[in-house]
Amino acid sequence: SQTIHQWPATLVQPVGSPLSLECTVEGTSNPNLYWYRQAAGRGLQLLFYSVGIGQISSEVPQNLSASRPQDRQFILSSKKLLLSDSGFYLCAWRPGLATDTQYFGPGTRLTVL
Amino acid sequence: AQKITQTQPGMFVQEKEAVTLDCTYDTSDQSYGLFWYKQPSSGEMIFLIYQGSYDEQNATEGRYSLNFQKARKSANLVISASQLGDSAMYFCAMRDTGNQFYFGTGTSLTVIP
Repeated sequence: SQTIHQWPATLVQPVGSPLSLECTVEGTSNPNLYWYRQAAGRGLQLLFYSVGIGQISSEVPQNLSASRPQDRQFILSSKKLLLSDSGFYLCAWRPGLATDTQYFGPGTRLTVL
Repeated sequence: AQKITQTQPGMFVQEKEAVTLDCTYDTSDQSYGLFWYKQPSSGEMIFLIYQGSYDEQNATEGRYSLNFQKARKSANLVISASQLGDSAMYFCAMRDTGNQFYFGTGTSLTVIP
C-alpha cells in the first residue's frame, strides 16, 4: 500500500533562517506531488505541484521554492523565512492525471518567530 | 473569483443524527471532480468521498454521501448517524479541467453527545 511521509512534524525557526521540508511517497511510482499551506483557521493554498522529476509548477510566487530530486521525493525550501511563512504545510500525492483523488501526508507545523 | 464556497463556518449536530454540510462551486468546465476531506485536530487531511462531474449517481461511502446537484453547482456532504469522532473540520474541494485543485475555507462540525 502507498504511504506518504513528511518531516519534520513541527518546526520553530527564526525569521531570516533557511527552511527545508521533505515529503516522500512509498509504494507508487510517477506520482503527482503537491505542496499546500494552511494558515491558522483557513483553507488550503496550493503552493507547488510536480508531475515528474525536475518538473515544478508554482502557483504562488513567494520566497519559497520546491524541488523534486527523485521520483517520490518533494522538497519545500526557503532561503530566508518570513513571519508570514508560519502555517501548516501539507504534502499530497495523486497516482496520476487519470485519477482524481489526492492523498495527504501528516503535515508539518511551522512557526516562524 | 472564489471557486469553492462553504457558507457554514460552524455546525452542531446531536450524536446519531444526520447533518448536511454545504458546498457550492464555480466552474465553467465540463469535466471536474469534487471532494470532501476531514481534518481532525491532529491536522491530517483525510479523504472522505469523491464525485465526478459526469457521474449521474450521488457518491456514497459508508455513512458519507455527496448530494450532487449539477445545475445548482452544489456538492453537499451528508453524514448519517453522527458519531463523536466525526467532530472535525470538513473541507470541500474541486479539481478543474486544468488539474488545479481548489479548497473551501472549511466547516467546523461538533457532535454533541
